[in-house]
Amino acid sequence: DGGITQSPKYLFRKEGQNVTLSCEQNLNHDAMYWYRQDPGQGLRLIYYSQIVNDFQKGDIAEGYSVSREKKESFPLTVTSAQKNPTAFYLCASTTISIMNTEAFFGQGTRLTVV
Amino acid sequence: QKEVEQDPGPLSVPEGAIVSLNCTYSNSAFQYFMWYRQYSRKGPELLMYTYSSGNKEDGRFTAQVDKSSKYISLFIRDSQPSDSATYLCAMIRNNYGQNFVFGPGTRLSVLP
Repeated sequence: DGGITQSPKYLFRKEGQNVTLSCEQNLNHDAMYWYRQDPGQGLRLIYYSQIVNDFQKGDIAEGYSVSREKKESFPLTVTSAQKNPTAFYLCASTTISIMNTEAFFGQGTRLTVV
Repeated sequence: QKEVEQDPGPLSVPEGAIVSLNCTYSNSAFQYFMWYRQYSRKGPELLMYTYSSGNKEDGRFTAQVDKSSKYISLFIRDSQPSDSATYLCAMIRNNYGQNFVFGPGTRLSVLP
């Protein structure tokens, strides 16, 4: 089945530690996105990538980093510079075509700082 | 002012009720409008999308767009307990994989 897979589902981070969230898709989508979801604030864009080896900052990129070495994969690293990383992180992908308006989402990773 | 505003709820209705969920937006450049449903601890899934003013029906769901008022709605008829979820409106300026702008979501509970 085609889809988008995020792992792990739950992640705990100690203060000062970097952690990496995985996102893999087998939908052959060109564009991939990382969102952060906090209660009452909806989805906020962290980074997005429309092509391999290229990515752009979203609205809240500070304290995060990404890479796009393969079309299928778009990992997100939450660095120690991110002061309030506890949140629900969602990865999404889309095609880039005139007929498409659907973003496919993974099931999310809940990150908690301990 | 946020680009997209949505009442976060929570909204509780009895089973069988008609539900109305709404979003307003400030940027007239938005052309495509979507509603996503998100169950607890899951990723959002697309319910409906539309790009023109007027109504679009899909089963028990109707999406309504009024571009002149910058207002979109989702109506759910004969609501079921399985409709209990958070509903997010989303919009984009064009459909070339551009950034989606999401509303904060409305949490809906349909009580049996």
